Amino acid sequence: ILNVEQSPQSLHVQEGDSTNFTCSFPSSNFYALHWYRWETAKSPEALFVMTLNGDEKKKGRISATLNTKEGYSYLYIKGSQPEDSATYLCASSTSGTYKYIFGTGTRLKVLA
Amino acid sequence: DTGVSQDPRHKITKRGQNVTFRCDPISEHNRLYWYRQTLGQGPEFLTYFQNEAQLEKSRLLSDRFSAERPKGSFSTLEIQRTEQGDSAMYLCASSLRTAGEAFFGQGTRLTVV
Repeated sequence: ILNVEQSPQSLHVQEGDSTNFTCSFPSSNFYALHWYRWETAKSPEALFVMTLNGDEKKKGRISATLNTKEGYSYLYIKGSQPEDSATYLCASSTSGTYKYIFGTGTRLKVLA
Repeated sequence: DTGVSQDPRHKITKRGQNVTFRCDPISEHNRLYWYRQTLGQGPEFLTYFQNEAQLEKSRLLSDRFSAERPKGSFSTLEIQRTEQGDSAMYLCASSLRTAGEAFFGQGTRLTVV
């Protein structure tokens, strides 16, 4: 994998459903993996920064896992609420560069 | 407000005009990034500053684009001779550490007509 790829591109779920998204990234020279939530008309908001293989992070109903050897991360949302509706972006950074490479995002819509 | 602020929030300009955007990062952050986002795409890296030094630029950044960060505080991004393809959301972010949590501004939406 040369780029950061996210799936699915978009997702509609019912309130109360649990859901998960995938982020695939280049595993060579890996440095850090970031997850952001971006609501319309707001700034992207950092959710997690993960660096170690096997890392698991949690913030309320949202959690994320990281596999640096195979180059993927999962973001989980338990009991989705309408306020979770947003675009979820992941970004990878590699050693030797300062930039974050973003995926195209997963657009989540939670229906009440 | 102690977050990252960007000005203006929206800019409509005619093709061929020059535009300049400003970013004020979080005051203690010495790292500053500019990104561009077009419809259906994720943010695309443009350039990175550490203090006042511009340490990395995207190869996609044509010579019509220039960015500065005098004295390591606020930053400006200038686009000369704008083209319709420059229409996008321009995002600024700042952080304390390399590859650390980056805090984004709300962006400047540029429309070139």
